[in-house]
Amino acid sequence: DADVTQTPRNRITKTGKRIMLECSQTKGHDRMYWYRQDPGLGLRLIYYSFDVKDINKGEISDGYSVSRQAQAKFSLSLESAIPNQTALYFCATFGRSGDGDYGYTFGSGTRLTVV
Amino acid sequence: GNSVTQMEGPVTLSEEAFLTINCTYTATGYPSLFWYVQYPGEGLQLLLKATKADDKGSNKGFEATYRKETTSFHLEKGSVQVSDSAVYFCALLRGSNYKLTFGKGTLLTVNP
Repeated sequence: DADVTQTPRNRITKTGKRIMLECSQTKGHDRMYWYRQDPGLGLRLIYYSFDVKDINKGEISDGYSVSRQAQAKFSLSLESAIPNQTALYFCATFGRSGDGDYGYTFGSGTRLTVV
Repeated sequence: GNSVTQMEGPVTLSEEAFLTINCTYTATGYPSLFWYVQYPGEGLQLLLKATKADDKGSNKGFEATYRKETTSFHLEKGSVQVSDSAVYFCALLRGSNYKLTFGKGTLLTVNP
C-alpha cells in the first residue's frame, strides 16, 4: 500500500455539487497538506494541518474546506464546485522518513473535473 | 514572501543532449531547496535536494548546486534520455509551517 493514499483518483462532477476528496497516510506524520496543481502555475497550497485540532489556510483556501478526522486522515471538500476548481489535487505529509531525514511524501493525486 | 522562478518551457531536446533548467529563489534566511519530477500521469517524486549553501544534490544523473550568492539551484544532466521526459518543479522549504513553495514547472520532452 502507498504511504499516502488519495481517493478518488479521478472525478467528474457538476457545477454546484458538493464533493469530498479523501487522503489517508501510514507515515505517522502529524503535518498534512493539500495542494492544487494547474498547468503553468505549479502547485499552490490550499490548507494544512499540524494535528487534529490545528487547521490553517493556505494561499488559495477560498471555496474549500478541510477536516482532519484523525492523525492519519485529512479530507478536502468543495462545498459548491465551480469549473475553475478543475485541477489536479495532491495530498502530502511532512515528517521524518525511514532514513532519518525530514521530507514530504505526496499522494498520487486526484484529478477533478467540474463541468 | 518566498518565491521560486524557474525556466519556462517547454524544453525539447534530443537524446544524449545536455540539460539545464534554471531556478532562482527569493526567501529570507536559508531555505532548503528541491527538485521534484512528475512523469506523465503520475504524482510528484523527489528528484534531489540540498539543505545548505554549496551543497550539491544528485540523483539519476541529475545534479543541482545550492548557490547562496546567486540564489540559484539550477538542474543539470549531462546526457538526457527519452525516459527523462517529464515536468520538473523547483521548490523551496522555509518557515515554521514547513510549506513548500513551487515554481511553475518546466515540461521537458526528449526525442530519440
